Amino acid sequence: SQTIHQWPATLVQPVGSPLSLECTVEGTSNPNLYWYRQAAGRGLQLLFYSVGIGQISSEVPQNLSASRPQDRQFILSSKKLLLSDSGFYLCAWSLGRGRALDNEQFFGPGTRLTVL
Amino acid sequence: GQQLNQSPQSMFIQEGEDVSMNCTSSSIFNTWLWYKQDPGEGPVLLIALYKAGELTSNGRLTAQFGITRKDSFLNISASIPSDVGIYFCAGGLNAGGTSYGKLTFGQGTILTVHP
Repeated sequence: SQTIHQWPATLVQPVGSPLSLECTVEGTSNPNLYWYRQAAGRGLQLLFYSVGIGQISSEVPQNLSASRPQDRQFILSSKKLLLSDSGFYLCAWSLGRGRALDNEQFFGPGTRLTVL
Repeated sequence: GQQLNQSPQSMFIQEGEDVSMNCTSSSIFNTWLWYKQDPGEGPVLLIALYKAGELTSNGRLTAQFGITRKDSFLNISASIPSDVGIYFCAGGLNAGGTSYGKLTFGQGTILTVHP
């Protein structure tokens, strides 16, 4: 069966510091991968998605970037955090088979980021 | 871009009552999904719908894909305290290429169940 991991679970960082959040998926190959941000427990905002290694699409211009160095690894980064970057960051995966089942996204446990 | 209107925004019900929530869109989706999120955790997929008119059940949960492809509803029967959480609808398009796997989410319905 497939599992998805995110770390760290919680993070408190000062403004202007760098960020690196990691997501890994087990039990599947060539998945689609996604990063979302959720503010105040409502509404999921898609930040980035990836259909393969090194292939990143950005949905919202912002202070963040994403990378996919390996098939099942997705990283969210920032060089300098802003107060507005605080939130709950969720990674998700779906099958990457080019079919309707790709719409079924499965989420990780999330990372709670607080920027002070 | 596409937007989903999910209602109600919140519900306060007694244990044992039935619950109904819905999502509407101004444009067509080919897939409708319903998720539940517990506090501090990631959303969990409850039901996925792929055909207009499709009615699917998962235990006490029933969801339908609207005939117009622009709406979906979720019903929960005989609610219990562990049904508490935020319920999200999501619409997906499978028109090919990079449209695969990109979902549009509703703003969520917060469900509170009083014992």
